[in-house]
Parts: sequence; structure tokens; C-alpha cells
Amino acid sequence: TQLLEQSPQFLSIQEGENLTVYCNSSSVFSSLQWYRQEPGEGPVLLVTVVTGGEVKKLKRLTFQFGDARKDSSLHITAAQPGDTGLYLCAGRNSGNTPLVFGKGTRLSVIA
Amino acid sequence: DTAVSQTPKYLVTQMGNDKSIKCEQNLGHDTMYWYKQDSKKFLKIMFSYNNKELIINETVPNRFSPKSPDKAHLNLHINSLELGDSAVYFCASSPLADRGYTFGSGTRLTVV
Repeated sequence: TQLLEQSPQFLSIQEGENLTVYCNSSSVFSSLQWYRQEPGEGPVLLVTVVTGGEVKKLKRLTFQFGDARKDSSLHITAAQPGDTGLYLCAGRNSGNTPLVFGKGTRLSVIA
Repeated sequence: DTAVSQTPKYLVTQMGNDKSIKCEQNLGHDTMYWYKQDSKKFLKIMFSYNNKELIINETVPNRFSPKSPDKAHLNLHINSLELGDSAVYFCASSPLADRGYTFGSGTRLTVV
């Protein structure tokens, strides 16, 4: 079973601050995805990364896939209260295997 | 238009009962999934279906049985409910096994 470790588990910051959350594994993934989940809702896909070293930007969010495809990071610039939520990374090693999820980072951005 | 819809949203039932959760997707996706999210928000795969065929059956109690009448529907039937079954159950779909998932909004099951 592949394990994805996310850190930190909880993060509370002030509006306007920058932050980075991490997703690490000892396994190699063919692709890795990041989702955001809000209370009472299902996770919503933010990005998919597939190439080692790949960097993708989504407005103030920057996602990076590690060169060895074992880890990923999510950096948020100038966090806003609307960024509050549970951030989940999920990886797949190959083919038809379903996504394996990390335990998430719960982010709270205080105005 | 809801892409992946689950019913019911909330389900409270007594131990020993049998219940079903329904899921429908209108995205034309070939693959559907059931995940269980525990109280610590950990999402764990339960079942995966590709075009009505079960392709993954993770180690879940056989009291849980998925049924897919067609590729747009994947229902979850649970027999003899136990306290430990209390969780949020999410249905999801994807166009191909290697693409992003679209999740439903979840069914919060509480067994009392």
C-alpha cells in the first residue's frame, strides 16, 4: 500500500501570508493530484502533475512535482480567507489503480 | 446540473439495519468509485468500477456490496450496519482511470 504523508496537518495563518504544504511518499507515482475540500462537500480537483520537476500555477497557487515523482508541494501566495479548506494530495502509481489520498492539510486563513 | 449526485445526503439508522446509497453521474465517465472518509478526514478507496465491471475491490467487509446497473450509476448497499460504519461515503467518477476525479457531495452515515 502506497502512503502519502502530508504536512503540516493543521495550519492557521493571517490573511496575506504565504504558505507551503507538502506531500511525501517513498513510492513513485505516475501522476499526482491536489484537491481542496470544503465542509459538507466532496473534494474538488485543483491540478494534476505528471512529469518529474513539473511546476503548475493556478492564480496564487503553485504546484510542484518532485524530480523523482515521489513528492509534491503546494505554495499559496498572499493567502485569503477563501483559501480556507482541507487540501488533499492523491497519487496513482500506474494504469487502472485508483487514487491513494494523503490525510490532508487543514488550512485556516484568518482575516 | 449536478455532475455526480448522491442520495441521501444524510442517513441515520440503527445497528443491524440494511441501507443503500445511490450515485449517478451525468458526465459520461467510464469509471466510478466509492470512497469512505473517516472522522479524521482520511479518504480510503472501497470500490472501483469501469464501465459496469468491478476492477478493484479493496479489503472491505463483505457486508458492503456495490451494484452498477449501467455505467452512469454505482450504488452501495450495506447489510447489518455496525457502529464503525459511521462515516462520510463519497462517490466519484473519472473519464479514464488516469484522470482527475469528480466527487459527489457525500453521504453522511450515522449508525446508532
